[in-house]
Amino acid sequence: EIVLTQSPATLSLSPGERVTLSCRASQSVSSYLAWYQQKPGQAPRLLIYDASNRATGIPARFSGSGSGTDFTLTIGSLEPEDFAVYYCQQRSNWPPTFGQGTKVEIK
Amino acid sequence: EVQLVESGGGLVQPGGSLRLSCAASGFTFNTYWMSWVRQAPGKGLEWVANIKEDGSENYYVDSVRGRFTISRDNARNSLSLQMDSLRAEDTAVYYCARDFGWSHDSWGQGTLVTV
Repeated sequence: EIVLTQSPATLSLSPGERVTLSCRASQSVSSYLAWYQQKPGQAPRLLIYDASNRATGIPARFSGSGSGTDFTLTIGSLEPEDFAVYYCQQRSNWPPTFGQGTKVEIK
Repeated sequence: EVQLVESGGGLVQPGGSLRLSCAASGFTFNTYWMSWVRQAPGKGLEWVANIKEDGSENYYVDSVRGRFTISRDNARNSLSLQMDSLRAEDTAVYYCARDFGWSHDSWGQGTLVTV
């Protein structure tokens, strides 16, 4: 099973700041990595698929990069609605696995 | 608009059974793989199972294989998860999700199962 390790566990930031979240895989997942956003009491929402493609309706301030074992989700300038938990997921190898999440909270 | 609406969650004793359903609308259901993903209270996400467009293939995470059964009724645009021999560690919100390539692009609101 591929283990995805996200860092940091928590980020305390202010609106307008640039955010970089990391997801590291225990072995290569090629580009088969997705990022999700989850707010309290809500279902996850797909942000990025195949490492760098924005899902439908996702603002341009969200971008993804990386391949192999190291991936990054960047939020260009934090908006108030971006404070949430972010998860990465791989489906390159069975079973599909998620990272443990990074919480982006208001400073 | 894609909509996925889960139902069937509730409180069940250890060893008991529960059947979850997911009603799909707003897309051509029989052209998508579908998955169940769960989230224990205060924890992260865990993929549980998925099923091919025509129901001919399905896959499970090891922890539920042999106890859970995923199925679909394409005539009714419905996905199901039959959960037997439930354990305390199965307590979670269960989400129905549409597979999109190597990700899940649409999710239901979830249904809570408490064992």
